[in-house]
Amino acid sequence: SAVISQKPSRDICQRGTSLTIQCQVDSQVTMMFWYRQQPGQSLTLIATANQGSEATYESGFVIDKFPISRPNLTFSTLTVSNMSPEDSSIYLCSVEVLGASGYNEQFFGPGTRLTVL
Amino acid sequence: AQSVAQPEDQVNVAEGNPLTVKCTYSVSGNPYLFWYVQYPNRGLQFLLKYITGDNLVKGSYGFEAEFNKSQTSFHLKKPSALVSDSALYFCAVRDGKAGGSYIPTFGRGTSLIVHP
Repeated sequence: SAVISQKPSRDICQRGTSLTIQCQVDSQVTMMFWYRQQPGQSLTLIATANQGSEATYESGFVIDKFPISRPNLTFSTLTVSNMSPEDSSIYLCSVEVLGASGYNEQFFGPGTRLTVL
Repeated sequence: AQSVAQPEDQVNVAEGNPLTVKCTYSVSGNPYLFWYVQYPNRGLQFLLKYITGDNLVKGSYGFEAEFNKSQTSFHLKKPSALVSDSALYFCAVRDGKAGGSYIPTFGRGTSLIVHP
């Protein structure tokens, strides 16, 4: 398994500002994922972050808006830039590790609840 | 392409009664299926998964799910609901075929409300 922590757990921000969310994992992982969960919606994958390479963004998400860093195998950051109220969401960090079953399993952090005024 | 559907936005059940949260899926290869639970103001917690083997999968907190290939379903069940089971439940699927997407697709979630 993997234990994931995120900072901050929640924040209230003003429109036009930026917020950086940190994700820390208790073991080295190759792939880290950032998801967004808008109110009343399911999880939407923003990007996949591999250490040592540029993040891969899903359709509808761009690096200028959601820059991601992956400096090592246990840490990643997601920045929400130039925020607007539409960015109000829960942002979740996730990792994939080899489970006891012999298959890859996905674990999630507790999430960062962002409210943009 | 892979997809998952949770046809019910909300399920209401009385404490002590059995509960079922429905999920159907679509993948081109063999499905890897997952259930996650999200309690208020918390992240997602893994409940159970089906990769291969027995169609009835047992998971955390007394939950189980039955894989039905002919109906492409993976419904979540519990014989006796608790008020503390009230939460948001997500079904997810990924394609198990070689070269398929390793990233799961999540359903929209079903809010389970257990009444005392």
